[in-house]
Amino acid sequence: GENVEQHPSTLSVQEGDSAVIKCTYSDSASNYFPWYKQELGKRPQLIIDIRSNVGEKKDQRIAVTLNKTAKHFSLHITETQPEDSAVYFCAASQETSGSRLTFGEGTQLTVNP
Amino acid sequence: DAGVTQSPTHLIKTRGQQVTLRCSPKSGHDTVSWYQQALGQGPQFIFQYYEEEERQRGNFPDRFSGHQFPNYSSELNVNALLLGDSALYLCASSVASGYTFGSGTRLTVV
Repeated sequence: GENVEQHPSTLSVQEGDSAVIKCTYSDSASNYFPWYKQELGKRPQLIIDIRSNVGEKKDQRIAVTLNKTAKHFSLHITETQPEDSAVYFCAASQETSGSRLTFGEGTQLTVNP
Repeated sequence: DAGVTQSPTHLIKTRGQQVTLRCSPKSGHDTVSWYQQALGQGPQFIFQYYEEEERQRGNFPDRFSGHQFPNYSSELNVNALLLGDSALYLCASSVASGYTFGSGTRLTVV
């Protein structure tokens, strides 16, 4: 089955700096890669996703890159703000709705004012 | 508003008891998946329901069972509860555009 590894487990940055979280996956059949933000006690919330037919996607301060050959994808957050502090999870799936999501173990991001 | 509704929000059960958790999917979503999230870990896939049938199952024992109703809502049942079943149980509904998670049910087994 699919295995997703996520690094780092904790990340502390100063407000305004950039943050990068990296994930690797094992199943070459995976072609959908969402990123979720989970604040304490709340549900995982989709912040950006990418499908295997593109290498990069950007939404304001958030971007995701995908390297299918190397089986890794990354989340980039620029101009970080204190409200970006949360746990971020990457996930991989074979399709966008009918297949299971396999999650990484999460990254606790802390943005210091 | 998440669009996916789960009940109850919190639950305390005794070891050996049985529990039923409920999920109403987002309007228009016909597929429901259940995940277990232990403290400090990523969600783990339990199973997925589509057209009232279990379509996929993760690495969970038969004590975990489910059901999907004609209106696409779903239940997760756990029998013979163990202390290790304490976790946040998340329901996710989906269509082709992706998954939406509910706020979860926090189950504590004592």
